[in-house]
Amino acid sequence: DTGVSQDPRHKITKRGQNVTFRCDPISEHNRLYWYRQTLGQGPEFLTYFQNEAQLEKSRLLSDRFSAERPKGSFSTLEIQRTEQGDSAMYLCASRPTGARTEAFFGQGTRLTVV
Amino acid sequence: SQQGEEDPQALSIQEGENATMNCSYKTSINNLQWYRQNSGRGLVHLILIRSNEREKHSGRLRVTLDTSKKSSSLLITASRAADTASYFCATDAFSEGGGNKLTFGTGTQLKVEL
Repeated sequence: DTGVSQDPRHKITKRGQNVTFRCDPISEHNRLYWYRQTLGQGPEFLTYFQNEAQLEKSRLLSDRFSAERPKGSFSTLEIQRTEQGDSAMYLCASRPTGARTEAFFGQGTRLTVV
Repeated sequence: SQQGEEDPQALSIQEGENATMNCSYKTSINNLQWYRQNSGRGLVHLILIRSNEREKHSGRLRVTLDTSKKSSSLLITASRAADTASYFCATDAFSEGGGNKLTFGTGTQLKVEL
């Protein structure tokens, strides 16, 4: 499968624990996005990488959230000291170079904080 | 943060009827894209319209864009039960950190009944 892969698909964690999600983009795509989606809402932008550089991070994002993309390949999203409000679907998408290109999404990681 | 507002939030129609969804956005864009999401899954790209285009067709899909009103519409003709999903518009705009940021609207939930 050469699509965008996210791991794990589901994660249940206790409040206060740290969690880390992984995204493997389509190999030739240099752009990678993270989104958060809650039920009935559209994907909310979290952060964006071009190669290994993190170009933008949502101002709404708590400093408990951090993302990396070492060597411009896979990316990780870490949430420290999780709260119940962090429960959501976390989506990763990648795009190739170019001004008029579509994004390819993974299946998402569903996080439940109990 | 979300760029677009979609209207209606929910739409229920009979198979064979046409479905129209509208999207309004706030800032200048490079292009506008429409995506579809089946329940609990990742998003799938449907169609892209550039900022200098006014209308575009793809199969049963027709998209219009009015940059003066900062609005777009998606028309699905001769709908089928399999079209039941959530539909999102996404604006592609230059990111303040460089590169292209893709920001999603709130979505329209379409239900097509037999």
